[in-house]
Amino acid sequence: NAGVTQTPKFQVLKTGQSMTLQCAQDMNHEYMSWYRQDPGMGLRLIHYSVGAGITDQGEVPNGYNVSRSTTEDFPLRLLSAAPSQTSVYFCASRDDRGYGYTFGSGTRLTVV
Amino acid sequence: GNSVTQMEGPVTLSEEAFLTINCTYTATGYPSLFWYVQYPGEGLQLLLKATKADDKGSNKGFEATYRKETTSFHLEKGSVQVSDSAVYFCALTGQAGTALIFGKGTTLSVSS
Repeated sequence: NAGVTQTPKFQVLKTGQSMTLQCAQDMNHEYMSWYRQDPGMGLRLIHYSVGAGITDQGEVPNGYNVSRSTTEDFPLRLLSAAPSQTSVYFCASRDDRGYGYTFGSGTRLTVV
Repeated sequence: GNSVTQMEGPVTLSEEAFLTINCTYTATGYPSLFWYVQYPGEGLQLLLKATKADDKGSNKGFEATYRKETTSFHLEKGSVQVSDSAVYFCALTGQAGTALIFGKGTTLSVSS
């Protein structure tokens, strides 16, 4: 099925560990983005990309890195995890018209 | 900058009651407006959208009208069901169709 695939679904990290959250889409969307969802805060934009090789920061980029080497993949890297990064992370892609955002099912990350 | 404000929850209703969730926005130009729904343990699904003033988005009995004069996009449903229990997010994209900006979400709980 076409869509946005996120892995893993759940992850527990110790403070200071690093990891990569994977995001892949098979809809040939140029635009992809990462959000974090925290209780009472809604979804906040971390980083986004308008195409392969192009990325930019969103509202809450600190502590996260991204790269976009292919149209399909947009991984999110935590270089040194902190408890404040405990959250649910969603990846989304958007069609060329700018209206059809598709979300992945999320990754629930706990940093202890 | 662009922002979205929606009524705080939780909203608790009995089955078949009328639902209104208020949403107002601040944006330059002519944003597109969205309502997303998140069922427990799932990702976000697009519920409805409107791309210009006076447009009415509708889906699954839910409706919202793009009111530029009041910068609002209130969500309504005439008769809610238990299965409508979820978190509802109002969101917008700017005129350039870039990142989705979300409100903080409103939790709806419907009891039978």
